[in-house]
Amino acid sequence: EAQVTQNPRYLITVTGKKLTVTCSQNMNHEYMSWYRQDPGLGLRQIYYSMNVEVTDKGDVPEGYKVSRKEKRNFPLILESPSPNQTSLYFCASSLAGEYNEQFFGPGTRLTVL
Amino acid sequence: AQSVTQLGSHVSVSEGALVLLRCNYSSSVPPYLFWYVQYPNQGLQLLLKYTTGATLVKGINGFEAEFKKSETSFHLTKPSAHMSDAAEYFCAVSLNTGKLIFGQGTTLQVKP
Repeated sequence: EAQVTQNPRYLITVTGKKLTVTCSQNMNHEYMSWYRQDPGLGLRQIYYSMNVEVTDKGDVPEGYKVSRKEKRNFPLILESPSPNQTSLYFCASSLAGEYNEQFFGPGTRLTVL
Repeated sequence: AQSVTQLGSHVSVSEGALVLLRCNYSSSVPPYLFWYVQYPNQGLQLLLKYTTGATLVKGINGFEAEFKKSETSFHLTKPSAHMSDAAEYFCAVSLNTGKLIFGQGTTLQVKP
């Protein structure tokens, strides 16, 4: 089944404790992206990747890191999480081209205490 | 800069009534436009998209949207609401980097 998977689905952590949210897709998509969803703000892009070893900042990159060493994986790293990073996070992937549908993972709900 | 505005953060309709969710965009180039739906505790799922060609676009679950360039709008409609349509709906415009610019979202409530 074609899908985007994220792990973990739920995470409660404390300020400053490094964490990684994994994202993997099995559709051989070139493009991958991370978004955060906050009430009243819709989804905002954190980072994106056009292909392996090619990443760039989105609208809200502060406090996050990403890497794209393999085409299928695009982990999101929070090196020192803070409470303002409490949010719902989505990974998405698509074929190259802005007219292509993005496929979304199920989301990771992160709480930073 | 491209942006998307969804008018009304909450819309409530009765089952069987017309659904109309409004979306306006600003774009300096011909846009690619999308509507996504998010059911509770799930990721986003594509309802429909406009790229080029016919301005009336049909999607899944009986939804459709019309691209009106003169009004910079891409409103989503469904003739008859069903209880299962209750969800949050997002309009988005795509940039040439593949980035999606989302509206704030509209929560659709369907009353029996």
